[in-house]
Order: sequence, then structure tokens, then C-alpha cells
Amino acid sequence: SAVISQKPSRDICQRGTSLTIQCQVDSQVTMMFWYRQQPGQSLTLIATANQGSEATYESGFVIDKFPISRPNLTFSTLTVSNMSPEDSSIYLCSVRQGGENEQFFGPGTRLTVL
Amino acid sequence: GEDVEQSLFLSVREGDSSVINCTYTDSSSTYLYWYKQEPGAGLQLLTYIFSNMDMKQDQRLTVLLNKKDKHLSLRIADTQTGDSAIYFCAEITGGSYIPTFGRGTSLIVHP
Repeated sequence: SAVISQKPSRDICQRGTSLTIQCQVDSQVTMMFWYRQQPGQSLTLIATANQGSEATYESGFVIDKFPISRPNLTFSTLTVSNMSPEDSSIYLCSVRQGGENEQFFGPGTRLTVL
Repeated sequence: GEDVEQSLFLSVREGDSSVINCTYTDSSSTYLYWYKQEPGAGLQLLTYIFSNMDMKQDQRLTVLLNKKDKHLSLRIADTQTGDSAIYFCAEITGGSYIPTFGRGTSLIVHP
């Protein structure tokens, strides 16, 4: 299974600032995903990031607020821009791998916005 | 209603079996998954079942799929305190690569 790491693991940020979250995978993967998990809620897909193309955003998420980079097949970043307390959440990086469409997740980045 | 539904809480005694239930609405589901999330951690893929299977067993875990009723369950035998976590059911439907997650069932194991 893919091993995924994220940085930072947690952060506390001031309103109006931006935070970039890094995701590193130990093998090359085509598709990487960014999810948000708000307190007590399920996972919501923010966007799909493919190498060499612009990320595809889900309804309710826009590039200006959540810019994503995918410079190569093992790395991606998600930026949470102009943060507000409503952005307080866990942000999870995920990849698909394997013939059975297995989806693996990173440990998450716990963001608190004051 | 939600596409994937789970009860929010389950409390069991250590050593007993736990059964976590999930219902889904899309009959074209191809893969169904169970994930475990321990406090402060990401999601760990526990097991999955292909839609043409009725049952899958992996050590203490048994997954049962009733496709007619669109019902999926995860049974944990001999539940231990280390099994305390949130368990998410997820499905992938035909033609999509994006899983739909339930809201998670919080399993509490007490002595």
C-alpha cells in the first residue's frame, strides 16, 4: 500500500492568512485527491489533482480559495487561502492505487483558524 | 437523504463482537470499503468487498454485503480497546473513481 506523509501535521493560524499543506507519496501515482473533514462530519472531496494538468474542483470549492500544485507524480500541495474560522478542519491527502481501486489516505493536517 | 448512511455511535464490551452497519442508495456500487480512523490520525483502509461478493473474512473482520437491500456490515470479533475508533463506510459506483463516504460510526469499547 502507498505510504503518504503530510506536513504540517497541525497548525493554528490567524484569520486572513494562508497555509500550504504538503503531501508526499512513496511511489508514483497518477491521481491524488484532497479532502476536508470538518468536526464530526464525513469526508468531503475538495479536488482531484493530476500531474501535468489543472486540478478539478468539486462543487463548492474554487481554485482561488484552494490552489493546488502537482509538480510530479509523488508530490502535491494544497493552499488554504485567506483563512477564516470556518476553514478549521482536517485536510487529508489521498491516492488511488492497486487493481482493486484501493484508496489510501495520509495522516491529515489539523488546521485551526482563530 | 444521504447516499451512504451509518449510525453514529456503537458501544460494546471488550471481548464481545461489534457489528457496524451501513446502507447505501446507489445500486451500481462496484466497490465498498471500510476505513478506520483513530483519534488524531488519518483513515486506514481496513478491508473492501467487490459488489459481486456476499462475504469477505479477514482475521477478526467479517464483511457482509446484501446487495438486494443495499446493506453492508462490518463485524469485529473479540473486540479490543484498540478497536475504539471511527469506522467509515464508503462506496464507489460504476464509472466513477470518487468514493462516497458515510459520516462514520464511533465505536466505543469499554472493559
